[in-house]
Amino acid sequence: DVVMTQSPLSLPVTLGQPASVSCRSSQSLVHSDGNTYLSWFHQRPGQSPRRLLYKVSDRDSGVPDRFSGSASGTDFTLKISRVEAEDVGVYYCMQGTRWPYTFGPGTKLEI
Amino acid sequence: EVQLVESGGGLVQPGGSLRLSCAASGFTFSRYWMSWVRQAPGKGLEWVANIKEDGSAQYYVDSMQGRFTVSRDNDKNSLYLQMNSLRAEDTAVYYCGRNGGYTLDHWGQGTPVTVSS
Repeated sequence: DVVMTQSPLSLPVTLGQPASVSCRSSQSLVHSDGNTYLSWFHQRPGQSPRRLLYKVSDRDSGVPDRFSGSASGTDFTLKISRVEAEDVGVYYCMQGTRWPYTFGPGTKLEI
Repeated sequence: EVQLVESGGGLVQPGGSLRLSCAASGFTFSRYWMSWVRQAPGKGLEWVANIKEDGSAQYYVDSMQGRFTVSRDNDKNSLYLQMNSLRAEDTAVYYCGRNGGYTLDHWGQGTPVTVSS
C-alpha cells in the first residue's frame, strides 16, 4: 500500500500569517493516465471532511484562493497564504492513484 | 445540491452484524462510483470500499475483505455497507462519499458504529 506521511502533525499558526503542510508518498502518484491524484481535505471539529484541492492543485468550488497546492516528485505541499480563524481543524492529504486509496495521518492546525 | 445521508449505525456486540445505508440526492447517482470511508474515535481517515457505477465491481481494503460487502441500488439512489463479524477495532464513524475522479468530492455527515459488549 502507498504510505502517506505528513509534517508537521501539529501546526500552531498566527492569524494573517502563512502556513504550510507537507505530505510525502512512499511511491510515485503519477497515474497511468498521466494525472497525479493527490487531494487535500479539511475537517473541522465535529464535521465531515471537505475537499479543498484535487489533482495536486485544482481548487474545489468555493475554496478561497488563499489555499494552494504544489508537488515535487513524491513531496506535496498545501499552502495557506494568510490563515483565517475558520481554517482551524485537521488537514489530510489523500492519494487516489493506487488501490487502496490512502490518507495521511492529518495535520492539526491551531491558532 | 449534492446530499448524502447515512443511517443504520449503532451499538453492536463483537461478532455481530450491521447494515449501513446512504441516501443520495442532488445528482445522477448511477453515474458515479461511490465509497465508504471510516474514522475511528480521535483517529484519522481510513478507506473502506469502492463500488462501480453499475455495481459490477467492488474494491475493499484488505482488513475488511470478506467481512464487509458494499452494494448499491441505483433505482433507490442508495448505497449500502453490510458489515459482518464486527470487531472492536471496527468502531468508527462511517462516511459515504461520492467518488469523483479518484477522490471524494462530497461526503455525508457520517453514522457512528460502536462494537462493544
